[in-house]
Amino acid sequence: KAGVTQTPRYLIKTRGQQVTLSCSPISGHRSVSWYQQTPGQGLQFLFEYFSETQRNKGNFPGRFSGRQFSNSRSEMNVSTLELGDSALYLCASSLDAQGYYGYTFGSGTRLTVV
Amino acid sequence: AQSVTQLDSQVPVFEEAPVELRCNYSSSVSVYLFWYVQYPNQGLQLLLKYLSGSTLVKGINGFEAEFNKSQTSFHLRKPSVHISDTAEYFCAVSPVSGGSYIPTFGRGTSLIVHP
Repeated sequence: KAGVTQTPRYLIKTRGQQVTLSCSPISGHRSVSWYQQTPGQGLQFLFEYFSETQRNKGNFPGRFSGRQFSNSRSEMNVSTLELGDSALYLCASSLDAQGYYGYTFGSGTRLTVV
Repeated sequence: AQSVTQLDSQVPVFEEAPVELRCNYSSSVSVYLFWYVQYPNQGLQLLLKYLSGSTLVKGINGFEAEFNKSQTSFHLRKPSVHISDTAEYFCAVSPVSGGSYIPTFGRGTSLIVHP
């Protein structure tokens, strides 16, 4: 079956712009999480959605937001981009609500802010 | 809250040699433990997980890990590595109960296999 699909794979944006990233989870997976990965900070949790509801949120400013649709696809949005937002953004989906079976990650969207 | 410490940021090893990647964690509640691997330009892939039962867990690609509750460790091992094992490895923990089950990841260990 198809894995977790993230689009686009690469993105270059200018400081001050906004960006929307998309994630399609594995079919049947209702939990979708987003992570920011940077060399300096490692993997940092952004937020998690289950059945269109945000259940958990990491310690990121309000410029970072997300949503989940009825088909479990998820989007995250970053407004007023800053240079420090340059990172690999990873989406992960899980079969169950608690991640008991582990998470399946997409290949990520590499965002570069110039 | 949980924390994960991967004691080595980089582990160089020759092909066909054994390897151990170390992971220690801290948590006030019981946890599930995971190891993930990330190949260049890809997302993370689950290698193995410990939920309960036997403390020795076998995963994909010949990797195994042993849960040691008294030492709060979950070290990853492979008896003979291949060039293709060169990747970043992440240890992660999730609380079994007590609120947020969002996994906490370690900073990663870069395994570099030399021919």
